[in-house]
Amino acid sequence: GAVVSQHPSWVICKSGTSVKIECRSLDFQATTMFWYRQFPKQSLMLMATSNEGSKATYEQGVEKDKFLINHASLTLSTLTVTSAHPEDSSFYICSASAVVRETQYFGPGTRLLVL
Amino acid sequence: QQQVKQSPQSLIVQKGGISIINCAYENTAFDYFPWYQQFPGKGPALLIAIRPDVSEKKEGRFTISFNKSAKQFSLHIMDSQPGDSATYFCAASLYSGAGSYQLTFGKGTKLSVIP
Repeated sequence: GAVVSQHPSWVICKSGTSVKIECRSLDFQATTMFWYRQFPKQSLMLMATSNEGSKATYEQGVEKDKFLINHASLTLSTLTVTSAHPEDSSFYICSASAVVRETQYFGPGTRLLVL
Repeated sequence: QQQVKQSPQSLIVQKGGISIINCAYENTAFDYFPWYQQFPGKGPALLIAIRPDVSEKKEGRFTISFNKSAKQFSLHIMDSQPGDSATYFCAASLYSGAGSYQLTFGKGTKLSVIP
């Protein structure tokens, strides 16, 4: 149980284009989903928290107009990196938690490379 | 500031030995402490977790020891195996409102188990 998937697992795009990453909870309803960014050999950095049907809450320093988050259903959240630039290249990981539960289950991550 | 300090940064243990990773926190409002295991290129996977009203929790070869007065907790991996070689993150959870909990992560420990 508690499986979270991400798609795609790998994406290469040209600078200036937009990229959408999907995060799905496969066997439970995720009232809250989180998006993290991880640089090589570093810890996870929380970008934003989203509750189903509500606007995402972004962490300080994260541009909400650049990283668009949609949590339209209890099993799906999407992160869109708009007008991507090489500095946006990173490993993006989502996680999901069920109703008022502390445990977060993580997806396998999406490697983004912007050329 | 909410922080979780993790040590050591890297650890080399011989096969069959005990791996010990330590974490310390400041905010006494943290009320749930999970450990995650992450292999290269993958998302973190929940390993074991503990609440502050319990001093020890064991699951197979993995044990969490928790010292509430010292605000410290540690992960012990008994009979360490080469397959345990991964990066381990401790985390602490805090209610962030709207029914969701946020995790604060340590910086990670890269464990290498040598034959």
